[in-house]
Amino acid sequence: IAGITQAPTSQILAAGRRMTLRCTQDMRHNAMYWYRQDLGLGLRLIHYSNTAGTTGKGEVPDGYSVSRANTDDFPLTLASAVPSQTSVYFCASSDRGTGELFFGEGSRLTVL
Amino acid sequence: GQSLEQPSEVTAVEGAIVQINCTYQTSGFYGLSWYQQHDGGAPTFLSYNGLDGLEETGRFSSFLSRSDSYGYLLLQELQMKDSASYFCAVRDLNSGYSTLTFGKGTMLLVSP
Repeated sequence: IAGITQAPTSQILAAGRRMTLRCTQDMRHNAMYWYRQDLGLGLRLIHYSNTAGTTGKGEVPDGYSVSRANTDDFPLTLASAVPSQTSVYFCASSDRGTGELFFGEGSRLTVL
Repeated sequence: GQSLEQPSEVTAVEGAIVQINCTYQTSGFYGLSWYQQHDGGAPTFLSYNGLDGLEETGRFSSFLSRSDSYGYLLLQELQMKDSASYFCAVRDLNSGYSTLTFGKGTMLLVSP
């Protein structure tokens, strides 16, 4: 049983460094999402992709980029990390047309 | 944009019934979902309401009134393991793309 796999589970990063969070799903879902979760702010959408080859911006996209080269993978890149990007990042997927998201276990990122 | 309001914290005792309310403002509304998240874990899907009325799944029920832009999650026969954060989320359809916007979450504390 896999579902959604995120890596790394935890990372400490120096400000200014580049970082890619990986996300892979094996459910053949069309849609994938990246959320960040900060205390008191809930889950905020960073970027999403409704199908391979397409991406869209969510509520808080600045400082992040994504790509969707195939159905299974949806990496999130921080080109030059800043301390305000310290957060827990969740990748999720869904069948297009449903309100049910399947989440990965999260990647805890600390930017110093 | 979208906004959702839910209480930040609710407390209850084992065996009791608790209701978590959610009001929302959004364009392109397509449904209301509820998620549970235990401390340190990933959010997991509980229920989805696309139409007005009550949906029941075991001890949990969810209600939606689209005319009032309001929904709630009802938890019955509370157990200690129900202590968690609960998020309502609205599903938007804009330009054919579906995304979920989450509320800030309600922390439920169940005491013996």
